[in-house]
Amino acid sequence: EDQVTQSPEALRLQEGESSSLNCSYTVSGLRGLFWYRQDPGKGPEFLFTLYSAGEEKEKERLKATLTKKESFLHITAPKPEDSATYLCAVQARYTGRRALTFGSGTRLQVQP
Amino acid sequence: KAGVTQTPRYLIKTRGQQVTLSCSPISGHRSVSWYQQTPGQGLQFLFEYFSETQRNKGNFPGRFSGRQFSNSRSEMNVSTLELGDSALYLCASSWSSGGAEFYEQYFGPGTRLTVT
Repeated sequence: EDQVTQSPEALRLQEGESSSLNCSYTVSGLRGLFWYRQDPGKGPEFLFTLYSAGEEKEKERLKATLTKKESFLHITAPKPEDSATYLCAVQARYTGRRALTFGSGTRLQVQP
Repeated sequence: KAGVTQTPRYLIKTRGQQVTLSCSPISGHRSVSWYQQTPGQGLQFLFEYFSETQRNKGNFPGRFSGRQFSNSRSEMNVSTLELGDSALYLCASSWSSGGAEFYEQYFGPGTRLTVT
């Protein structure tokens, strides 16, 4: 069974204080790992897709990396508007298993 | 390009009633998936439709059902509502040609269902 574990559950940073969020996964053949951002009362917003170990993607202050067992979302010099819940999800390679398996998320709060 | 839309945004129902939620995917997207999000269980997969056919189903009871129309719009139905069905129901659409490939899923704003 596919499993995704995110840590920490919650993280409070000062504006400008860089940090990383962790996503550990177990999947029988990874097709893709996805990062989403979710604001309260809204649907998840797509951020990145990573397909293979060693891959990295960047968007503004965010950088996602992937190894064979985990992914990191690095946040550089965060701003208060980066406050949100960050969700990690995996999709298995097997045909027919198209569902995303999500982690429980990391609630990030960036204080001015 | 317009995003995924879901209606209604909020719904209050009584235990035992049934409910139908609607989702319009991004134009050109033929795959629609439904998820349930609760504080205790997080985001859980309900089912996925492509070309009016259910391709995948999560571990939910048969009270949860769905369908997809020829224009790719989708509906999900929950019959005999229980208190535990209170949740945010999210629809996500994805481009798909019908093969084994997978592309990013884009989520709608969700329908907040409260069962009393």
